[in-house]
Amino acid sequence: GQNIDQPTEMTATEGAIVQINCTYQTSGFNGLFWYQQHAGEAPTFLSYNVLDGLEEKGRFSSFLSRSKGYSYLLLKELQMKDSASYLCAGGWGGYNKLIFGAGTRLAVHP
Amino acid sequence: DVKVTQSSRYLVKRTGEKVFLECVQDMDHENMFWYRQDPGLGLRLIYFSYDVKMKEKGDIPEGYSVSREKKERFSLILESASTNQTSMYLCASTKQASSYEQYFGPGTRLTVT
Repeated sequence: GQNIDQPTEMTATEGAIVQINCTYQTSGFNGLFWYQQHAGEAPTFLSYNVLDGLEEKGRFSSFLSRSKGYSYLLLKELQMKDSASYLCAGGWGGYNKLIFGAGTRLAVHP
Repeated sequence: DVKVTQSSRYLVKRTGEKVFLECVQDMDHENMFWYRQDPGLGLRLIYFSYDVKMKEKGDIPEGYSVSREKKERFSLILESASTNQTSMYLCASTKQASSYEQYFGPGTRLTVT
């Protein structure tokens, strides 16, 4: 199968940096997404990695190592509004199908 | 901006009822998806469609069917609702020739009593 694993919960302090890890099985993998989902709302796109390396987008960065089946999402200068679930999702096969991890619930404290 | 809308934000139905959840996207996307989201399980794919009248089973199709008569509209049908189908249902769409980025609707929280 194409299991995606990520921690269930994390906590961090406002202004700090947090790294959310995601591991996946590498067979047939096409690329990796990160989505943010606030409670009761739809997931919104954060980043997409298809090549190895770091993609930076403002306070958020995402890293991918295809050979290791590993990705992380790095959030800098944390704000209270960053409290949300972060979903790691991998693309496999055709028709743009995604396989989602269970999500990491991040709580940012003052 | 891409817009994906769902017919209801909240829905309460009784066991055995037939339930229709509708999703509409306005960006001419070929692919549309239905997921359910449950605590600790993440998003699980129920069905997807890659063209009008075309559909494929996802990971958990049992108890569900779908309909895609027009490109912009994808319906999820619960033939006989059961309490274990109480969940958040999310619709998404994506353009076939682009990246895998999926655009999500706001979700429908369905409660079956």
